[in-house]
Amino acid sequence: EVQLVESGGGLVQPGGSLRLSCAASGFTFSSYWMSWVRQAPGKGLEWVANIKQDGSEKYYVDSVKGRFTISRDNAKNSLYLQMNSLRAEDTAVYYCARDQRTAAGTDRFDPWGQGTLVTVSS
Amino acid sequence: SSELTQDPAVSVALGQTVRITCQGDSLRSYYASWYQQKPGQAPVLVIYGKNNRPSGIPDRFSGSSSGNTASLTITGAQAEDEADYYCNSRDSSGNIYVFGTGTKVTVL
Repeated sequence: EVQLVESGGGLVQPGGSLRLSCAASGFTFSSYWMSWVRQAPGKGLEWVANIKQDGSEKYYVDSVKGRFTISRDNAKNSLYLQMNSLRAEDTAVYYCARDQRTAAGTDRFDPWGQGTLVTVSS
Repeated sequence: SSELTQDPAVSVALGQTVRITCQGDSLRSYYASWYQQKPGQAPVLVIYGKNNRPSGIPDRFSGSSSGNTASLTITGAQAEDEADYYCNSRDSSGNIYVFGTGTKVTVL
C-alpha cells in the first residue's frame, strides 16, 4: 500500500523553527517528485514547495522563499521541510504528497499524507 | 504568479448533475487536476489530465477543459459527494503549482 506519514508538527513561537518529516512507503520514493501542501484553519489548499527525484531542482511559493527549505533522503524514503522564521500566517496543516509531474502535463498529487498541524503562536 | 478561480459554493439535488469550474490563464497551457476534501480528511485526487480517473474513483466524476476554463462534472450526485473540491495546475512559469480557491458542493 502506498503511504505517506507526516510528523514533526507542533506549537512554535513566532520567529522559531520547526522541521517536518514525511515517511514514504509502498512505492519507489526515489522515482518521484514530492511536494508539501498546506491548509490554514478554515481556508483552502496552498502548494508550498516541491523537489525533484534527485534533489537537483526545488521550487517554492513566494511566501516561504528564503524561510523554508525542502529536502529529501532517498536512502531513508523521507521528505523534509525545514521551516525557519515562522510567522502566525504559517499556521496550517501541512500535507506531503507524491507529485506526479509529467512532460505531458498530466500532473497530479496522489496520494497525500494525513497531515501534521503547525501552530505559530506566542 | 497565476490564480485559479472557482465559485465558492454550489448545490445539487440528489441524483442530478453539477459542474464545477476553474478559471485561470495557465489552464490554456496546462491540464488541471481535481481534489475532493471532506471535513477533517486529507484531499483525494478525483480527476487529472484530459479526463483521467484514478482507480477507485466512481465514473460519475469526469473532467473537461476549454480555453482558460477547466470543469469537473458529477453526473448523478450522491450524498457522499458532498465535500470541498479544489482544482490545481502549474502557474504560467511552469515551475510551481497553484490551487483554485475551492468550491463547496452541497447535495440536497
